[in-house]
Amino acid sequence: AQKVTQAQTEISVVEKEDVTLDCVYETRDTTYYLFWYKQPPSGELVFLIRRNSFDEQNEISGRYSWNFQKSTSSFNFTITASQVVDSAVYFCALSEAAGFQKLVFGTGTRLLVSP
Amino acid sequence: DGGITQSPKYLFRKEGQNVTLSCEQNLNHDAMYWYRQDPGQGLRLIYYSQIVNDFQKGDIAEGYSVSREKKESFPLTVTSAQKNPTAFYLCASNPSVTGDEQYFGPGTRLTVT
Repeated sequence: AQKVTQAQTEISVVEKEDVTLDCVYETRDTTYYLFWYKQPPSGELVFLIRRNSFDEQNEISGRYSWNFQKSTSSFNFTITASQVVDSAVYFCALSEAAGFQKLVFGTGTRLLVSP
Repeated sequence: DGGITQSPKYLFRKEGQNVTLSCEQNLNHDAMYWYRQDPGQGLRLIYYSQIVNDFQKGDIAEGYSVSREKKESFPLTVTSAQKNPTAFYLCASNPSVTGDEQYFGPGTRLTVT
């Protein structure tokens, strides 16, 4: 069975601090996708990134970066120089690559960035 | 603008009443999904549809029903059989059910008293 664990329930930082959100996953599949979504207070989930299990290159997009390590089954998300607008709940999710793409979500990490 | 709309944003019902949540998309996506979100939990899949006139149960389908008569619409009915219906409901879609990221609507917060 697939499982996603986000052990950090809530993280509080001060603006401009760097913060890393952890994501550990379990799957028996050799091919799968990993996702990160952001849920701001408005409630809508916003897609951030999708990573194929065959692509272990780290990715950087502005202040956001992702570290994918198959050896430790982790897909961590780092925000550099955090801003108040980064305050949200962040979800990590996993899906199989073949057949129906059922998304299995972690329980989310609430990030609070104070001025 | 292309996207997913859910209405209303907030919905209040008395226990024992059925209620239907709306989900419309103009992205021309084949696949649509309904999720339920409870405090401190991740999203859980209620139903999904890969194509018009076809839908499948997700992990927590009991007490819910759906229809997919049109490509752009996927309404969810919360029936009186759902024991704990108060939750935040999110609709999503993607071009197909394999590999593409899902796009989410703004959600409907249902409160049943």
